[in-house]
Amino acid sequence: DTGVSQNPRHKITKRGQNVTFRCDPISEHNRLYWYRQTLGQGPEFLTYFQNEAQLEKSRLLSDRFSAERPKGSFSTLEIQRTEQGDSAMYLCASSLERLARQADTQYFGPGTRLTVL
Amino acid sequence: AQKITQTQPGMFVQEKEAVTLDCTYDTSDQSYGLFWYKQPSSGEMIFLIYQGSYDEQNATEGRYSLNFQKARKSANLVISASQLGDSAMYFCAMRERDSGNTPLVFGKGTRLSVIA
Repeated sequence: DTGVSQNPRHKITKRGQNVTFRCDPISEHNRLYWYRQTLGQGPEFLTYFQNEAQLEKSRLLSDRFSAERPKGSFSTLEIQRTEQGDSAMYLCASSLERLARQADTQYFGPGTRLTVL
Repeated sequence: AQKITQTQPGMFVQEKEAVTLDCTYDTSDQSYGLFWYKQPSSGEMIFLIYQGSYDEQNATEGRYSLNFQKARKSANLVISASQLGDSAMYFCAMRERDSGNTPLVFGKGTRLSVIA
């Protein structure tokens, strides 16, 4: 059983360019979350999917950010017209909806580190 | 107001000793979940332990235990018999309503360094 995978692991881009990250959750996990982590901080929630439906978005998710999970499996996070302030680690997590609360634990991928020059 | 507070930016512990990492939280919900994650330098967040607000017993997972004091709103992580591989950032997180529909809110973390 493989864990959550994310690609690419590192991305360097110039200000104003668009970037797209991919997240493959643990198979059969129906919930998928995106977080952003800046230096010296804990992760901050961006958005959440249950199957293919995007159920919640943080105010951190500006209009330049868009996330999709078209078939309820993998997800993509796109940032348009990148800014230097977008430089961060972007973490994806998945969980399986179960009755037992403890079982609905979020498991994280290795993250994509974005650097905007 | 901060929902999760980790007051120790850095901690040192001797190998094989026990160490306690502090976490206090703030919520008005009666049902909530508390989590600890480990983040090595590689960046991946590794789930360690979970405590539900209604759980009467403190959670334990191998060398990890959670000292849950509900009245004080604290959920300290205790690592026994520290190993060099325990050196990492440790994050406390809370999930209000203790539902998978609710995102995790993280503290700023504590960097643990284990000394040989």
